[in-house]
Amino acid sequence: DGGITQSPKYLFRKEGQNVTLSCEQNLNHDAMYWYRQDPGQGLRLIYYSQIVNDFQKGDIAEGYSVSREKKESFPLTVTSAQKNPTAFYLCASTDTFTDTQYFGPGTRLTVL
Amino acid sequence: RKEVEQDPGPFNVPEGATVAFNCTYSNSASQSFFWYRQDCRKEPKLLMSVYSSGNEDGRFTAQLNRASQYISLLIRDSKLSDSATYLCVVNDGTGFQKLVFGTGTRLLVSP
Repeated sequence: DGGITQSPKYLFRKEGQNVTLSCEQNLNHDAMYWYRQDPGQGLRLIYYSQIVNDFQKGDIAEGYSVSREKKESFPLTVTSAQKNPTAFYLCASTDTFTDTQYFGPGTRLTVL
Repeated sequence: RKEVEQDPGPFNVPEGATVAFNCTYSNSASQSFFWYRQDCRKEPKLLMSVYSSGNEDGRFTAQLNRASQYISLLIRDSKLSDSATYLCVVNDGTGFQKLVFGTGTRLLVSP
């Protein structure tokens, strides 16, 4: 089955720790994205990548970092510099022919 | 002003009702328009793309008015399973395939 996988589903982190969220897709999409969603709020773009070895900051990139070494993978690191990291993190990829984005199941990060 | 504005609801309707959601967007350069559905604590899933001519998929009808920068979604014969949050989504018009999401309209369908 084609799709996007994210792991882990739930993640707990102590303050001051960095943590990396995994995102893998087998849809052969070039473009991939990371969003954050807080309760009752819309999705906010953290980082996006149009192609391997290239990525750009989104609207709320501070405290986050990414890499895009393979087409299939776009991991997100939440660093200790992110002040309010507790949120629902969603990874997506885009079918460039239809401009349609498809989402992974998300990772819920809680900072203790 | 928000780039994509939606009435947050909730809309409480009985089964079988017809319900309409509206959305306005501020960027006249936007070229792609979508409705996504998001269930509680789940990821958004594409419901339908929205075309200038309007389009229908079963009980769902979407309309786009570019002049007014207005998008609508009509759900006929509501089912309990339609209960969810409906997100209005437009692209940012930059050509970088970035989407802008509304905060969503919550629908509750009751027996």
